[in-house]
Amino acid sequence: KAGVTQTPRYLIKTRGQQVTLSCSPISGHRSVSWYQQTPGQGLQFLFEYFSETQRNKGNFPGRFSGRQFSNSRSEMNVSTLELGDSALYLCASSRGAGVLKETQYFGPGTRLLVL
Amino acid sequence: TQLLEQSPQFLSIQEGENLTVYCNSSSVFSSLQWYRQEPGEGPVLLVTVVTGGEVKKLKRLTFQFGDARKDSSLHITAAQPGDTGLYLCADRPIQGAQKLVFGQGTRLTINP
Repeated sequence: KAGVTQTPRYLIKTRGQQVTLSCSPISGHRSVSWYQQTPGQGLQFLFEYFSETQRNKGNFPGRFSGRQFSNSRSEMNVSTLELGDSALYLCASSRGAGVLKETQYFGPGTRLLVL
Repeated sequence: TQLLEQSPQFLSIQEGENLTVYCNSSSVFSSLQWYRQEPGEGPVLLVTVVTGGEVKKLKRLTFQFGDARKDSSLHITAAQPGDTGLYLCADRPIQGAQKLVFGQGTRLTINP
């Protein structure tokens, strides 16, 4: 069974540009969550999608947005990039049943560097 | 807002030694999870505990959940270089949702 895949794995952008990251969940998983990981702030929740609907959103500015498609694949977009957006962006998928011990599976992440 | 505090932040020990890392929460855990993350990879779930006082063992790893469900420890016996990584504790504070709140992690290095 293929794991969570994220593309691209590495990305270099300049300030002011925008970027789109992609996540393909494990087959059969309907929930996708996004996290930002930085050395200073650690892992922080961005948003969660289930069946194409945003279910929860973290405390990030409106420059961060996402969506989920009918095949459960998800994209996140960051507009007007800032230096502080440099981070590892992780995607996690799960069945989304909401049971207490449900396992989330993380992808390898996309490392974004903003110059 | 729930805050998870992990200690120590960094730990470097020799192969064969034992170690314990800790995770404390500002509020009661709903569903405590421990993850290990290796360089270039995403976190991998090690264990989920929900019952206060629960103890779980995974080979040389022993996870303890405090009776009051606000603290947890991870003990590794006879550490090996393959145990090297970032150990993260996390909680799922919203029932029915997938959102995780993470601690800052303990970066563990096992020297051969």
